[in-house]
Amino acid sequence: DSGVTQTPKHLITATGQRVTLRCSPRSGDLSVYWYQQSLDQGLQFLIQYYNGEERAKGNILERFSAQQFPDLHSELNLSSLELGDSALYFCASSVERDRGNTEAFFGQGTRLTVV
Amino acid sequence: EDKVVQSPLSLVVHEGDTVTLNCSYEVTNFRSLLWYKQEKKAPTFLFMLTSSGIEKKSGRLSSILDKKELFSILNITATQTGDSAIYLCAVGGSNYKLTFGKGTLLTVNP
Repeated sequence: DSGVTQTPKHLITATGQRVTLRCSPRSGDLSVYWYQQSLDQGLQFLIQYYNGEERAKGNILERFSAQQFPDLHSELNLSSLELGDSALYFCASSVERDRGNTEAFFGQGTRLTVV
Repeated sequence: EDKVVQSPLSLVVHEGDTVTLNCSYEVTNFRSLLWYKQEKKAPTFLFMLTSSGIEKKSGRLSSILDKKELFSILNITATQTGDSAIYLCAVGGSNYKLTFGKGTLLTVNP
């Protein structure tokens, strides 16, 4: 168990809908990353938050947004869902020390299926 | 844009064999290279490398980084069926993001 908790584990929803994925980082970790993993694309970096503020942005669609709350949990919001958004969404957290040796630990992921 | 390339994409071996997995990278402001093992779901952390030439070892697994040639290798000796997994290489670069390669699928047959 990495100490990173993601909910829900599975989500099935229809096209056009909106969903929220939740992540609780390991105790003491200030940094949260979101990744999307599909069969053909591997792990794609979406976005990173550090202590409540957005720090880095990857290939995140405009239909997607995220935030990190004062208690450091994070949510990833996916809207106007399309079939192609079906994937495994991972959250990872790290405690960033020494200017960023980013040893990140992953949650178990949320499997999103859009039908 | 940061880039990580892993090879081979897939590898099938017999128990007891030794394997070497490769990871090459291009990254702005390199800070660290990490190896992960992914079985059914979440990638689990194996190693983090920041300095060239220093081998990290854990049991039958070992890894080394060459920052001049921009690559790393992960060695697994005396492979077991439980080593079957996808092995992911990631590089930490500018802005603290981790960029992952597509992984090497290792299958160890009894």
